[in-house]
Amino acid sequence: KQEVTQIPAALSVPEGENLVLNCSFTDSAIYNLQWFRQDPGKGLTSLLLIQSSQREQTSGRLNASLDKSSGRSTLYIAASQPGDSATYLCAVVWQAGTALIFGKGTTLSVSS
Amino acid sequence: GAGVSQSPRYKVTKRGQDVALRCDPISGHVSLYWYRQALGQGPEFLTYFNYEAQQDKSGLPNDRFSAERPEGSISTLTIQRTEQRDSAMYRCASSPPEGRGPYNEQFFGPGTRLTVL
Repeated sequence: KQEVTQIPAALSVPEGENLVLNCSFTDSAIYNLQWFRQDPGKGLTSLLLIQSSQREQTSGRLNASLDKSSGRSTLYIAASQPGDSATYLCAVVWQAGTALIFGKGTTLSVSS
Repeated sequence: GAGVSQSPRYKVTKRGQDVALRCDPISGHVSLYWYRQALGQGPEFLTYFNYEAQQDKSGLPNDRFSAERPEGSISTLTIQRTEQRDSAMYRCASSPPEGRGPYNEQFFGPGTRLTVL
C-alpha cells in the first residue's frame, strides 16, 4: 500500500531557528512530491513541488529535498518566523495524472 | 487570475438530507480532484476528472456519494441521505494540462465545511 508518513506530528521552536520537517513514503517510484501549508480554516497553499527527476527545490526561506532511493523528503525552513506557524503537509503522486496521497502533517508553532 | 473556488464555504444539514457541493476550478485546468479531510488528518482522495470524464472514483466511500463535471469545468459532489460520519472538510483541487507548468501540480480551493447534525 502506498503511504506517506510525517514525523513529528507537532513541533515548537523559538523564532529564528532553522528547522527540518520530515516526510517518508513507501514505494520509491514516485511521479512527484508536493509540500503544502495549511492554515486553520483556510485552504491548502502549495509551497514546493519536486518532480521525480529533481533532487531539490527552493523558494525563499524554504528548501525541499527529495531522496527517492530512501523514500524521504525534507522541508527545510530557514530563520523561522511566527508567521510560519501552520500545518505542513507532504503529498505524493505515484502515477501521472492521479491523486495526491497525503501524510497527516506536521503542526509547527514558532514563538516570538 | 482567480483560484479554485468552492461553495458553499459552510454547510450545516440534518441527517438524511441531500447536499450538493460545488467546485469551480482555475480557468484552463483540465483535471479536477475531490478530497475529504477529517480533523487532524491529511486530505483523502475521493474522485477525479479529466475534462468531463470521471477517471477514478475509487475513493468514494459508498454509493451515497457521486460527482459530475458535465461540461468539463464546474464540478458538483453530491451526498445523498447524509449521515453524521459525513461531517468533514471537502476540498477540491485542479491542475493544468501537461506542458503548462509542472504536470499534476494541484491547486486547492478553500474547502466546504460540512456538518451533519
